[in-house]
Amino acid sequence: DQQVKQNSPSLSVQEGRISILNCDYTNSMFDYFLWYKKYPAEGPTFLISISSIKDKNEDGRFTVFLNKSAKHLSLHIVPSQPGDSAVYFCAASARVGGSNYKLTFGKGTLLTVNP
Amino acid sequence: DAGVIQSPRHEVTEMGQEVTLRCKPISGHNSLFWYRQTMMRGLELLIYFNNNVPIDDSGMPEDRFSAKMPNASFSTLKIQPSEPRDSAVYFCASSLGRVVYGYTFGSGTRLTVV
Repeated sequence: DQQVKQNSPSLSVQEGRISILNCDYTNSMFDYFLWYKKYPAEGPTFLISISSIKDKNEDGRFTVFLNKSAKHLSLHIVPSQPGDSAVYFCAASARVGGSNYKLTFGKGTLLTVNP
Repeated sequence: DAGVIQSPRHEVTEMGQEVTLRCKPISGHNSLFWYRQTMMRGLELLIYFNNNVPIDDSGMPEDRFSAKMPNASFSTLKIQPSEPRDSAVYFCASSLGRVVYGYTFGSGTRLTVV
């Protein structure tokens, strides 16, 4: 049972345009959501996060939006650059006791930004 | 800081052999995670240590898999005996326990069992 779903395996956009990556979740106990970026032959790297009590967080060209009622979040990249081409993972955090937490990841979306 | 260090980067082994993957977390991080990435299942959490103690091993697929963390700077994931379906990329990650910054991942070990 997938608790974090990224329904689009791939996305292709033109350089300079907006990239929108989507993610849905089922567990209402998730309290933090994160996006990771992964290049081939490297580990995922943290990009941006958002608390479940917020609906938007922005960091430069990257903005994450959270719609709790719809259990949906999205990552907007504006403007998109060829160097943004990578696999993007959505992740959600749940407490596992005390101050411990663990992340559940979606399967990822391959973003290709064409020059 | 050298980041999370995993070894080896690539491992090719024959079915039935024992495989040991190694991880050195970032100094000062108190949590360590082992993930497996496959096309079918994406990134799956296998096991999670906090202060060297296993907290959640519910993701370990079966008894052939075992993980240890003898001290704060070293962890191993062992598969014995290995099977072709274990072929995947195995990632180790560590964190300070502050969810807002997530985990720091290593570069992974690509395991191929033939």
